[in-house]
Amino acid sequence: DGGITQSPKYLFRKEGQNVTLSCEQNLNHDAMYWYRQDPGQGLRLIYYSQIVNDFQKGDIAEGYSVSREKKESFPLTVTSAQKNPTAFYLCASSMASGGAVEQFFGPGTRLTVL
Amino acid sequence: GENVEQHPSTLSVQEGDSAVIKCTYSDSASNYFPWYKQELGKRPQLIIDIRSNVGEKKDQRIAVTLNKTAKHFSLHITETQPEDSAVYFCAAIFNSGGYQKVTFGTGTKLQVIP
Repeated sequence: DGGITQSPKYLFRKEGQNVTLSCEQNLNHDAMYWYRQDPGQGLRLIYYSQIVNDFQKGDIAEGYSVSREKKESFPLTVTSAQKNPTAFYLCASSMASGGAVEQFFGPGTRLTVL
Repeated sequence: GENVEQHPSTLSVQEGDSAVIKCTYSDSASNYFPWYKQELGKRPQLIIDIRSNVGEKKDQRIAVTLNKTAKHFSLHITETQPEDSAVYFCAAIFNSGGYQKVTFGTGTKLQVIP
């Protein structure tokens, strides 16, 4: 544990609200990722960033937004446009190199829409 | 994009028996294949990985094999123990437009019966 943290652990949102999930890492990793995990399903990539001030859409980016103003931080905003946001959200980071790098995961944030 | 299929989705074995989980991938450019273990409510953690220039790798009771021609790789757990019970995810990493991208399988829930 440690190295990559997420907050809060649990988050409740009313319909129509935007919420922001925090992800911070002190591993000096270049790359950061956001995944969504639904019960019985795998991890689906929302957004990823290989370098500060740059990020790319993953497979399910609609209804989400990110920023990467600092190397150690990669917050995820779940907007009201995301129609089914209840899920477990995992942030990860890795060194960016030639394709053979381990991802380290944060402890996750469980988001529930009321 | 990349597609990773993982089988079986659930697997029950008696303590002491072996367990095998298989994954196939579609993008021949993928060159790194990690396996993650996720216990209930916790973050995924890397248990073993294999790079594309290697056919097999072993770490105590865990081994991974890779067949690049057939585009499949497998996780082998021998002498299973109750603490091996968890969800296991395979993943394939490939480069897309100069960026790395990780695609996960849908997971295998392993239950080791004492």
